[in-house]
Amino acid sequence: EAGVVQSPRYKIIEKKQPVAFWCNPISGHNTLYWYRQNLGQGPELLIRYENEEAVDDSQLPKDRFSAERLKGVDSTLKIQPAELGDSAVYLCASSLLRGGTEQYFGPGTRLTVT
Amino acid sequence: AQKITQTQPGMFVQEKEAVTLDCTYDTSDPSYGLFWYKQPSSGEMIFLIYQGSYDQQNATEGRYSLNFQKARKSANLVISASQLGDSAMYFCAMREGRSSNTGKLIFGQGTTLQVKP
Repeated sequence: EAGVVQSPRYKIIEKKQPVAFWCNPISGHNTLYWYRQNLGQGPELLIRYENEEAVDDSQLPKDRFSAERLKGVDSTLKIQPAELGDSAVYLCASSLLRGGTEQYFGPGTRLTVT
Repeated sequence: AQKITQTQPGMFVQEKEAVTLDCTYDTSDPSYGLFWYKQPSSGEMIFLIYQGSYDQQNATEGRYSLNFQKARKSANLVISASQLGDSAMYFCAMREGRSSNTGKLIFGQGTTLQVKP
């Protein structure tokens, strides 16, 4: 069974530029999560989807971050414009049941903003 | 507020020895789940073990066991017979509610484990 797929794995951009990350969850997983992990810290949730619906986006900086999961499968997280403080690893995770099982994580996208 | 605390930034262990990674948590919800994840240098978070707040026995998964002390609000991870491949960052995490509507995991700061040959 394929795991959570993320692309790109690495991205370097200049500040004020836009950037997008893509995630394809494990087949059949209806819940999808985007986390941000700053260097030396644990991941923090940005947004959680149940199918197409964003059910928890309280930690998403909505002035510059946006996300979508149009068909309830893969998802895109966008930053526009990027700031130096956005440098981090962006992790996508998925789970089968609503809070019932562990979350399976992808390899992450390491973003560097210069 | 929910909180996970891992007080050991770094740990060393000799190969084949056992090691305990500490984790304490704080929550007012009587129903919660505790998780341990391993993050090697490749970056992927690998699920290791889960303990539910109402589980009567400590969870075990192969060489991993969770020393769950509910009254002390601690959920320490024990790795037996350490292997070189165990060198990684380890995160303790909590999810409130057995089937929580949020499903959000709250992570600790992590502990870096290095296994010496």
